[in-house]
Amino acid sequence: KNEVEQSPQNLTAQEGEFITINCSYSVGISALHWLQQHPGGGIVSLFMLSSGKKKHGRLIATINIQEKHSSLHITASHPRDSAVYICAGILWGQSGGGADGLTFGKGTHLIIQP
Amino acid sequence: GAVVSQHPSRVICKSGTSVKIECRSLDFQATTMFWYRQFPKKSLMLMATSNEGSKATYEQGVEKDKFLINHASLTLSTLTVTSAHPEDSSFYICSARDAGHYVYNEQFFGPGTRLTVL
Repeated sequence: KNEVEQSPQNLTAQEGEFITINCSYSVGISALHWLQQHPGGGIVSLFMLSSGKKKHGRLIATINIQEKHSSLHITASHPRDSAVYICAGILWGQSGGGADGLTFGKGTHLIIQP
Repeated sequence: GAVVSQHPSRVICKSGTSVKIECRSLDFQATTMFWYRQFPKKSLMLMATSNEGSKATYEQGVEKDKFLINHASLTLSTLTVTSAHPEDSSFYICSARDAGHYVYNEQFFGPGTRLTVL
């Protein structure tokens, strides 16, 4: 079982719709990242948060530490928002030596149709 | 902003050869860099944590002798895939932490290197 779970796996919506992508994790984290990956593969870091809520333009990220859950919202979605959105956390007590490395969800493939 | 570059962006090589991938922090110093791998339609996976001036820390299941990591300076880490085989074909991404303006846990990602081993 993946320690970081995302839903939905795929999402197709119409331009202008409000988008929500969910992320849940099974163990405590020190920080959670929301990343955007475009078809070429390059990754852009959207948010890093450990509590509360952050907003950048049309993007909003929230996290509830007690419930081990985070959401990424996109308001007034646009076709250029089409990408894979990935949540990733630095998990407490994760295996291996990379104590500060990220554990990734499988990503949500978002398509915004005009 | 903090920029991380990778070189090459794409490489195709024959089975049995070694391939070196460079990860550079262009406008900041990075005491720690991370190497990730992504197979098609799969999650990114942490391979190793690279610390400047010391040995890399590898994740379970990642062969140290196959994936050689060198972090010889504060702006450069290299990943060498030795004796590459087709199963090593993947998308390799590095990220780096800014040692000078350290926001705990913040990482900046490179654009990735797509390796194809024939």
